[in-house]
Amino acid sequence: DTGVSQNPRHKITKRGQNVTFRCDPISEHNRLYWYRQTLGQGPEFLTYFQNEAQLEKSRLLSDRFSAERPKGSFSTLEIQRTEQGDSAMYLCAPQDRGSATGELFFGEGSRLTVL
Amino acid sequence: QKEVEQDPGPLSVPEGAIVSLNCTYSNSAFQYFMWYRQYSRKGPELLMYTYSSGNKEDGRFTAQVDKSSKYISLFIRDSQPSDSATYLCAMNKNTDKLIFGTGTRLQVFP
Repeated sequence: DTGVSQNPRHKITKRGQNVTFRCDPISEHNRLYWYRQTLGQGPEFLTYFQNEAQLEKSRLLSDRFSAERPKGSFSTLEIQRTEQGDSAMYLCAPQDRGSATGELFFGEGSRLTVL
Repeated sequence: QKEVEQDPGPLSVPEGAIVSLNCTYSNSAFQYFMWYRQYSRKGPELLMYTYSSGNKEDGRFTAQVDKSSKYISLFIRDSQPSDSATYLCAMNKNTDKLIFGTGTRLQVFP
């Protein structure tokens, strides 16, 4: 049990379509991170939330990407007009309230394949 | 130049061998160092974390940090086929976002 549920686990879509991924932490966490991982690479930071507020966005997050965390619990990541280069694993990681080191506990990820 | 460098492997060893996995980094502000294990098509799983320089041991795993050389290592003793996975190093300053290496793919054969 990773403590976080991500859905869908795998999405296959055609180029140009919109997709949305959802992240549901099991318990309360004030911070929530999104990362992207392409084949053969380590996870790359996309964005993070402190409660409802989106505090930092990577330059990897083009204007086709939008993320929300409306009530400070679950979060969604939407990609509009998908491109083949968006094919990747999208990982969500809540951060423990009392974390002194910043370690993250990742979900199983949502894998996107853009045809 | 990437902030964190890690040899992608693959590293192939026989069962029972001692495995050494390494990362170098360029940002001297990094203070917290972590190792994650990732099985195919799964999310990364936190194995160990250390603060600043020194060693930390947990069962068959030992993590070492040498801040003067900007070099971190993970040792796996008595490696098992179930240790076959990708190992990712990650680091940050304070509780800032984690920066990951590319990962080293390890194969332990019986």
